[in-house]
Amino acid sequence: SAVISQKPSRDICQRGTSLTIQCQVDSQVTMMFWYRQQPGQSLTLIATANQGSEATYESGFVIDKFPISRPNLTFSTLTVSNMSPEDSSIYLCSVVNPGGGEAFFGQGTRLTVV
Amino acid sequence: AQSVTQLDSQVPVFEEAPVELRCNYSSSVSVYLFWYVQYPNQGLQLLLKYLSGSTLVESINGFEAEFNKSQTSFHLRKPSVHISDTAEYFCAVTEPYNNNDMRFGAGTRLTVKP
Repeated sequence: SAVISQKPSRDICQRGTSLTIQCQVDSQVTMMFWYRQQPGQSLTLIATANQGSEATYESGFVIDKFPISRPNLTFSTLTVSNMSPEDSSIYLCSVVNPGGGEAFFGQGTRLTVV
Repeated sequence: AQSVTQLDSQVPVFEEAPVELRCNYSSSVSVYLFWYVQYPNQGLQLLLKYLSGSTLVESINGFEAEFNKSQTSFHLRKPSVHISDTAEYFCAVTEPYNNNDMRFGAGTRLTVKP
């Protein structure tokens, strides 16, 4: 299994500002995934982050709004830029066990934009 | 692409009663199936998974799920629930040769009442 540390665990931010969320994995992984979970909703994949290349974004998500860094095989950041109340969500990072197929998740970052 | 439907958004039950959370999937190829549990203010934890072999899989806390290919289902069951089982449950699916693309159902909120 993989242990994922995500921080901050929660934050309250002013609209128009940006927040960077950090995700640290206890082992080297090729891909890291960022999800958004809006209140009362399921998980929606934002982007897939590979080390050494640009992240791949899902439909509806763009790099200017959600820039991602992946400087090495154990770490990634997601920035939520120019925030609005609609960005209030839980943001989760994840890695996949290539052998067993299951995903492991960080504890999530609960973001509230006021 | 694969997809998942969870038929019940909320399931209220009394303590010690049996419960079934329903999950149906859609895919044109073989699948890996998962159930995740999310307790309040936490990330997702893997409950159980089906990759191949026996169609009945079990978790350590008494849940079980059965893969039914003909009905494209992977329902989650527990014969006697506890208050502590109150949580959100997500069914998820990937394809064996593309297990970075995990799709989640909308979630079922299980509420166990005393």
